[in-house]
Amino acid sequence: QKEVEQNSGPLSVPEGAIASLNCTYSDRGSQSFFWYRQYSGKSPELIMSIYSNGDKEDGRFTAQLNKASQYVSLLIRDSQPSDSATYLCAVTGGYQKVTFGTGTKLQVIP
Amino acid sequence: DVKVTQSSRYLVKRTGEKVFLECVQDMDHENMFWYRQDPGLGLRLIYFSYDVKMKEKGDIPEGYSVSREKKERFSLILESASTNQTSMYLCASSLDRGLGNTIYFGEGSWLTVV
Repeated sequence: QKEVEQNSGPLSVPEGAIASLNCTYSDRGSQSFFWYRQYSGKSPELIMSIYSNGDKEDGRFTAQLNKASQYVSLLIRDSQPSDSATYLCAVTGGYQKVTFGTGTKLQVIP
Repeated sequence: DVKVTQSSRYLVKRTGEKVFLECVQDMDHENMFWYRQDPGLGLRLIYFSYDVKMKEKGDIPEGYSVSREKKERFSLILESASTNQTSMYLCASSLDRGLGNTIYFGEGSWLTVV
């Protein structure tokens, strides 16, 4: 079992719709969770971080964390073509070890 | 803003050559990392460092070494490049060992070994 799992996609949504990206992790001791966006040929850039159970909103983005289910998600409201990218889930466990998922490719169709 | 600079963006090297990838960060971060990213495999940690002259192996250290002589600089060394080391290499840094510190990435170095 991979430590951090994501569906590779592509996930296709129409412009203006809500995109839902999901991530599961295996280490119950994980404490910090991050979503990065990576455009093709570019390096990852941080979108959001979340540390406690529940929702965290930032503009069109909402991160959701459920530690009991070992599940973290990212919702993108009013999806735009510029949101088309690969989204990486990252999880930090003990000793600052950060593990990345392989990413979900999102395509927003105009 | 945090800036992580990778000096070489695109390199083509021959099998057996020694390759140096340089990385500099300007925010006095304690932690520095080297990842490689390959299609379908995601980001894999090669080496990381929590302090000057300290280094720790990541998940795939074989065929690589690192050097951190100064806090701001972390170098990745391929002692004898092989074709299976063709990849995009990403340097990153974070503030310290506290949990929840964001990792900031450089722009990446595309290495092709022929």
